Amino acid sequence: AQTVTQSQPEMSVQEAETVTLSCTYDTSENNYYLFWYKQPPSRQMILVIRQEAYKQQNATENRFSVNFQKAAKSFSLKISDSQLGDTAMYFCAFMSYGGSQGNLIFGKGTKLSVKP
Amino acid sequence: GAGVSQSPSNKVTEKGKDVELRCDPISGHTALYWYRQSLGQGLEFLIYFQGNSAPDKSGLPSDRFSAERTGGSVSTLTIQRTQQEDSAVYLCASSLVLRGSGTDTQYFGPGTRLTVL
Repeated sequence: AQTVTQSQPEMSVQEAETVTLSCTYDTSENNYYLFWYKQPPSRQMILVIRQEAYKQQNATENRFSVNFQKAAKSFSLKISDSQLGDTAMYFCAFMSYGGSQGNLIFGKGTKLSVKP
Repeated sequence: GAGVSQSPSNKVTEKGKDVELRCDPISGHTALYWYRQSLGQGLEFLIYFQGNSAPDKSGLPSDRFSAERTGGSVSTLTIQRTQQEDSAVYLCASSLVLRGSGTDTQYFGPGTRLTVL
């Protein structure tokens, strides 16, 4: 069974600084997707970034980038130039590739606070 | 375009009552998921619908939980004889299904917060 672990329950960062959120996962599969979702107090789960495991290049989306280490089963999220609007819960998630199911398996989340 | 919508936004009910939660997926998305988010358990998968195939119910916690999807679009999650431990946020998500590569990125609705008194 796949598991996703986020070891940092809470983190804080000063506005404009850079912060890295950690995520490790366990799977015996070779093909899968990894995601970071953001959940602000509004409760809406918003996709931040996605990585296909077969791609060696790390995904980037504006101020958000990942460090994907497949051998180490690590998938950290780096937020550059942090903004107050980045304050939210961040969830790392795993999804099998090509299966008949495809449900997401989530970590417990990291609560990020961006301070002015 | 319109995203995933869910109703009601909040629902308060008494223990033992039945509740229905509704999800409207993104138009054209054939895959639909229900998840439960609770303080103690985090985010848990409940059920998955894909087109006209039989749903994957492997995540449903008990036989008090059921879901249906009519016409391949709107879905209703029903909880019978609610218990206090059913209190949680129920999230719905939808995605496209990519030929030969399973499902694509899931887009979530705003959730329904269920409180069982």
